[in-house]
Amino acid sequence: GNSVTQMEGPVTLSEEAFLTINCTYTATGYPSLFWYVQYPGEGLQLLLKATKADDKGSNKGFEATYRKETTSFHLEKGSVQVSDSAVYFCALVGYIPTFGRGTSLIVHP
Amino acid sequence: KAGVTQTPRYLIKTRGQQVTLSCSPISGHRSVSWYQQTPGQGLQFLFEYFSETQRNKGNFPGRFSGRQFSNSRSEMNVSTLELGDSALYLCASSSGDNSYNSPLHFGNGTRLTVT
Repeated sequence: GNSVTQMEGPVTLSEEAFLTINCTYTATGYPSLFWYVQYPGEGLQLLLKATKADDKGSNKGFEATYRKETTSFHLEKGSVQVSDSAVYFCALVGYIPTFGRGTSLIVHP
Repeated sequence: KAGVTQTPRYLIKTRGQQVTLSCSPISGHRSVSWYQQTPGQGLQFLFEYFSETQRNKGNFPGRFSGRQFSNSRSEMNVSTLELGDSALYLCASSSGDNSYNSPLHFGNGTRLTVT
């Protein structure tokens, strides 16, 4: 079946640092890939998506590129803010939506 | 546009009881899916309904069931509750026209505690 593997957290950074959260997947076919963000006490919010190989999704300074050759969809941001502190989920949406375990990001001022 | 609404926000039940959770999707969305989120297992897909029919199903026991009404609102029922059913239950809606590409829009969840 499909699976998504994310790097373990928490990831702790200082404000304005560079962020990378690794995500790799196994899937049959060519599913769409998504990053979602969850703030405390809330549901998940869509951050960005990519629907085919080499697509780059971007939103609010975050970017991720759908890499079929390495089956990866790493999330990056050039300069994080305290308000980016949240849990980030990598997901693939095929027949059965599959989510990674989530990576907690903590950004200190 | 109003977002996905889940009720109630919090629920405390006793082992052996049953519970019904409700989800109202974004207006115009025909697909509703349900997820269980726990610290141990993460976010796991329960099932998806589209136009009142169950379209996909995850790997959960038959105690977990759902339904969707003609206005796309959905309910999820868990019978014979077990302590391990304590979790945050999330509902998500999407347009469903192309479920593999349509982003999911999540509600804030129902926190179920089984004692």
